[in-house]
Amino acid sequence: DIVMTQSPDSLAVSLGERATIDCKSSQSVLYSSNNKNYLAWYQQKAGQPPRLLISWATNREVGVPGRFSGSGSGTDFTLTINSLQAEDVAVYYCQQYYTTQGTFGQGTKVEIK
Amino acid sequence: EVQLMESGGGLVKPGGSLRLSCAASGFAFSTYALTWVRQAPGKGLEWISAISSRGLSTYYADSVKGRFTISRDNSNNTVYLQMDSLRSEDTGMYHCAKYSASSGYVPQLHFDSWGQGTLVTVSS
Repeated sequence: DIVMTQSPDSLAVSLGERATIDCKSSQSVLYSSNNKNYLAWYQQKAGQPPRLLISWATNREVGVPGRFSGSGSGTDFTLTINSLQAEDVAVYYCQQYYTTQGTFGQGTKVEIK
Repeated sequence: EVQLMESGGGLVKPGGSLRLSCAASGFAFSTYALTWVRQAPGKGLEWISAISSRGLSTYYADSVKGRFTISRDNSNNTVYLQMDSLRSEDTGMYHCAKYSASSGYVPQLHFDSWGQGTLVTVSS
């Protein structure tokens, strides 16, 4: 199984500042045949189901604010939240879907400093 | 609008069984693979099972293989998770989710819609 490891486990950021979350996979999730990274980011607010933010490592979903961006390739990925807003308080998960058993990272809790 | 609504959760003793249901609407149900993801209290997300659009292919996490069975009824737009030989570590919120594109098999894709979940508690 591919193991996904996020860092940090939690972070506190001031309103308007940048939050950066890293995600590392135990093996590459880049498919050489189509040059796509099989990596998604989800946001989960308290009491709610996860919400898809980013797919294919960098593709922001329709309706997701532009302050959210994804980067990286192969085994190392980053979710960046520019100009953090109060409504961004949540737990963020990366997920690989390179394999059918799409494994998730352990989650990163983002709070306001 | 895509809607996924889980039901069937509750309190069950170790060794017992439960059958979860996920009723879907707002999309061409019979053309999409579906999945179950669970979340232990205060913990992260764990993928546990998936089923292809016609139910011909099923997949399970090692943690539930041999104990859980996923199935679907395309005439009623519902996917099920039969959970047998339940353990305390099966306690958690169970979400069903939809893969992001239609396919005849379980695709290598992310999940674009999730249900609110149904809570399963395994305790004596």
